[in-house]
Amino acid sequence: IAGITQAPTSQILAAGRRMTLRCTQDMRHNAMYWYRQDLGLGLRLIHYSNTAGTTGKGEVPDGYSVSRANTDDFPLTLASAVPSQTSVYFCASSDSENEQFFGPGTRLTVL
Amino acid sequence: GQNIDQPTEMTATEGAIVQINCTYQTSGFNGLFWYQQHAGEAPTFLSYNVLDGLEEKGRFSSFLSRSKGYSYLLLKELQMKDSASYLCAVKDSNYQLIWGAGTKLIIKP
Repeated sequence: IAGITQAPTSQILAAGRRMTLRCTQDMRHNAMYWYRQDLGLGLRLIHYSNTAGTTGKGEVPDGYSVSRANTDDFPLTLASAVPSQTSVYFCASSDSENEQFFGPGTRLTVL
Repeated sequence: GQNIDQPTEMTATEGAIVQINCTYQTSGFNGLFWYQQHAGEAPTFLSYNVLDGLEEKGRFSSFLSRSKGYSYLLLKELQMKDSASYLCAVKDSNYQLIWGAGTKLIIKP
């Protein structure tokens, strides 16, 4: 089934721990994105990748890193989690100028 | 700065029509998107406007006025399943999406 998958679905994490959120798409889209969604705020872009091998910083990149070794995978790493990183994280992909397709999200709680 | 404004919440009656407004101020404009997001789920694409005017797609229509920095999403023949948040997003000069906080639409029988 074509689409985007994210793992884990949810996670509770102790502050200071390292965590990688996984994202995989099988639509062969060039562009991929990581957003966080917090209550009362719009989706905020963390990092993006326009094509495999390249990445860029979004609106709120601090504390996060990404890599894009191939077209399908775009993992997001929190090097040392802090409580302010408690959020719902969505991965998305798009084919050039078109609409973005979203994964089901990861609900992350940092204590 | 860049800004997308939408009402926080709206209430409408099943079978009626509702219009959700969105105003924007962004650095450049390369299109406006509307997404629907049910509680606890991912956003899903509804419509895209890049030229002024009305785009109709079944029960949903979206309008754009670039000179006014304004768009609306029109939902007709409302159904209970239309209860969701509706997100307005503008693609800026860097081709990145700037998102509004969303409008929570409550449908009453």
